[in-house]
Amino acid sequence: DAKTTQPPSMDCAEGRAANLPCNHSTISGNEYVYWYRQIHSQGPQYIIHGLKNNETNEMASLIITEDRKSSTLILPHATLRDTAVYYCIVRVAAGNQGGKLIFGQGTELSVKP
Amino acid sequence: GAVVSQHPSRVICKSGTSVKIECRSLDFQATTMFWYRQFPKQSLMLMATSNEGSKATYEQGVEKDKFLINHASLTLSTLTVTSAHPEDSSFYICSARANSGELFFGSGTQLSVL
Repeated sequence: DAKTTQPPSMDCAEGRAANLPCNHSTISGNEYVYWYRQIHSQGPQYIIHGLKNNETNEMASLIITEDRKSSTLILPHATLRDTAVYYCIVRVAAGNQGGKLIFGQGTELSVKP
Repeated sequence: GAVVSQHPSRVICKSGTSVKIECRSLDFQATTMFWYRQFPKQSLMLMATSNEGSKATYEQGVEKDKFLINHASLTLSTLTVTSAHPEDSSFYICSARANSGELFFGSGTQLSVL
């Protein structure tokens, strides 16, 4: 699986948008961009994923550049409960042959009052 | 969303004993499950891929005789840490892959070996 690069940490003010960048310059054509987050001492939680179009769900928005070499996860109105480590992962996702998730170091997001 | 149950959530054991951790997919069938371990302040490290009805595939550097994996049914995979030692103390996490390809994670097991 392709590797990703994320800043190790970021701060965000409560109520503001949190924009978390991710570089994945070696992504293959059949690999999706996935975002998970992990709150301390819990299992990772799925946030969103996409292939090439921008995606939005109730948790976040995912913006993928046209060349697919980078993406940004946007939490529109960050709350204190969004404090977590956010992982950007590229992965083949094809039904029950979908690839394993290889975690990088992630970005530790701290949302401050 | 789909639920993956992991049990126990926390276990303390003596050095030299074996510990079994269970991972169950509660509302879907999972032919494939993954096992990870995580040390404090570090990322998740994939240990092995568990396939229902066949042998697990271990990542490089992971001892298969130390970490026994059994995936006997479509909803249950177990990880047994054999002859545990203090260096095996870690947070162990499983994930199960649904037929859609989505992966769902358990809540993790904190193992402490005294």
